[in-house]
Amino acid sequence: GQQVMQIPQYQHVQEGEDFTTYCNSSTTLSNIQWYKQRPGGHPVFLIQLVKSGEVKKQKRLTFQFGEAKKNSSLHITATQTTDVGTYFCAVRMDSSYKLIFGSGTRLLVRP
Amino acid sequence: EAQVTQNPRYLITVTGKKLTVTCSQNMNHEYMSWYRQDPGLGLRQIYYSMNVEVTDKGDVPEGYKVSRKEKRNFPLILESPSPNQTSLYFCASTEGPGGISPLHFGNGTRLTVT
Repeated sequence: GQQVMQIPQYQHVQEGEDFTTYCNSSTTLSNIQWYKQRPGGHPVFLIQLVKSGEVKKQKRLTFQFGEAKKNSSLHITATQTTDVGTYFCAVRMDSSYKLIFGSGTRLLVRP
Repeated sequence: EAQVTQNPRYLITVTGKKLTVTCSQNMNHEYMSWYRQDPGLGLRQIYYSMNVEVTDKGDVPEGYKVSRKEKRNFPLILESPSPNQTSLYFCASTEGPGGISPLHFGNGTRLTVT
């Protein structure tokens, strides 16, 4: 079936270090959304990418959509303890109105 | 305040005892869905609804029922819960068809079936 691979599963960083999570699909994507879930919380929408090669920034977060629209990344510069949580990508394949979630990357930040 | 409200937040029940998890949204969204979240598996869609009286199965519908009699409400029903339905459940609503608009999630319901 349709799948999306998200890596790594866990990342433990020192505060101030950078962090990146990747989302990969074997199928061309229509768009991709990113969500953040704080411990004990619910997923919260961060951003949506639609265009090939698109790059969007939100303060220390940089989101990128691959040229082939098969992969995406979320990069956090100089992590802070407030960045702790699980980051999910959610993808929509062409000709589909269904979002498929990646398994998430759990980020832990050592103060 | 725009929100999706789920109840209860925590539920412990026994095998076979019917239960309902309620979900309500105040954003006039047409599209609502239910997900379950299990470690290492991300969020998997159980059922979705595109409008009143229009529902369809997601990826893991077995053992669940839903109804959409009103636009704002989308309850999840477990007729005969089993231990493999122990999970964290989220209701979500969105303005447009699935995958195009952001999902707004409720706070979640942690269900334990013994």
